Amino acid sequence: QVKLQQSGAELVKPGASVKLSCKTSGYTFSTSYMSWFKQIPGQSIEWIGMIYAGDGGTGYNQKFKGKATLTVDTSSSTAYMDLSSLTTEDSAVYFCARKGWYFDFWGPGTMVTVSS
Amino acid sequence: DIQMTQSPASLSASLGETVTIECLASEDIYSNLAWYQQKPGKSPQLLIYDASSLQDGVPSRFSGSESGTQYSLEINSLQSEDAATYFCQQHHDYPYTFGAGTKLELK
Repeated sequence: QVKLQQSGAELVKPGASVKLSCKTSGYTFSTSYMSWFKQIPGQSIEWIGMIYAGDGGTGYNQKFKGKATLTVDTSSSTAYMDLSSLTTEDSAVYFCARKGWYFDFWGPGTMVTVSS
Repeated sequence: DIQMTQSPASLSASLGETVTIECLASEDIYSNLAWYQQKPGKSPQLLIYDASSLQDGVPSRFSGSESGTQYSLEINSLQSEDAATYFCQQHHDYPYTFGAGTKLELK
């Protein structure tokens, strides 16, 4: 069955960077899209961007350009998202989800807390 | 960006009732709309895609419809496990955008 496993919670200092992972199984990762999302608890969901694992091609929400960088490792069927120059406004839960337009399988989320 | 105006923000209903949640798109999204259910501390679960297609494994009491730029999610015969927050999402144009959410409480 399709599974998306995300890395554990992160506590990072302002100005730092963090790399989140999303390890997949149960489907053909190398021919699939992966999207990433941000959700502040109690609020709605924002689409950050997506990556096609076949060639690493990406598309980003303009709001997150320069903040998020998406990559994949097809040898381990894992997607990554780098978040840079973190501020308190980046504190949120970050989800990965399969597909590039609507999203049928989601990871459990990674909580990122930015605090000094 | 396409704005998705979702209503109501919250509603309370009894077991067995039928409820409707609506999303109004700021422009034509050509039926490219999905609905998700999210429970506290969990990730969203896809219910409906392409406005009215039921995702595999989702109970048939969930249904989606459209009228122009207005999209609706109907939940029939409410069950206790339907208590959750529901979000719409347009998948017509970048950036994909979500509604603000509707919190459904069971009386």
